[in-house]
Amino acid sequence: QVQLQESGPGLVKPSETLSLTCTVSGGSISSYYWSWIRQPPGKGLEWIGDIYYRGTPNYNPSLKSRVTISQDTSKNQFSLKLSSVTAADTAVYYCARERGSGSYPFDYWGQGALVTVSS
Amino acid sequence: EIMLTQSPATLSLSPGERATLSCRASQSVSSYLAWYQQKPGQTPRLLIYDASKRATGIPARFSGSGSGTDFTLTISSLEPEDSAVYYCKQRYNWVTFGGGTKVEIK
Repeated sequence: QVQLQESGPGLVKPSETLSLTCTVSGGSISSYYWSWIRQPPGKGLEWIGDIYYRGTPNYNPSLKSRVTISQDTSKNQFSLKLSSVTAADTAVYYCARERGSGSYPFDYWGQGALVTVSS
Repeated sequence: EIMLTQSPATLSLSPGERATLSCRASQSVSSYLAWYQQKPGQTPRLLIYDASKRATGIPARFSGSGSGTDFTLTISSLEPEDSAVYYCKQRYNWVTFGGGTKVEIK
C-alpha cells in the first residue's frame, strides 16, 4: 500500500520561503508522477505542479515564478519550495501520486499539511 | 488555462434519490477528466478517471460519463455517507480543478 506523508514548518513568515517534503513509502518515486496540490481554508483545490523521475517539473503557470519542485530518489522523497509567500498562500498542502496516463488521476494522497503564513 | 465550471453549487437530496453533477470545460479535454470526493476534514478521494472508469473500491452507484466539454457524475441512489464536496479535474492542458459541488443529504 502506497503511503505519502507531508512534513515541514506549519508557520512561515510573509516574504519567506515555504518548504515541504513528501516522503513516499510502499512504492518507489522512480516511477509515476508526483504532485503538490493546495487548498486554502474553506476553498477549492489548486494544483501547484508535478515531477516525474528524471523529468522536468511542470508548474501551474500562475505560480511558476515562485515554485520549485525537486526529488531525492535516495530518500524516496520529493519536495516543494514556494518563495515570497503572502497570506494568500495559507492553505493545506497535499502531496499526491499521479498515474501518468489518460486523465493522470491522483490515486494516492498524503494527509495534508496546514501551512499558515503570518508574522 | 482550461476552466472547469461545476453545477449546481449545492445539491440537497434525500437518501435513495439520484444525484446528477455537471462539469463543463471551457475547451475540449477529450476524456482526460477525473472526479474526486472530499468529505469534511478529509483528503480528497479518487472516484472516476478517464471520464468513466471507476477507481478501485468505488461503489457501483458512482458513474461518470461525457467527453469533450461536458461531463456528468451520477450517484444512482444516494447513501448518507455520500455527503461531500465533489470536484472534477482535467489534465488535458496542465491541471485545473472545478469549483466543486456540495452534496447534502436531507
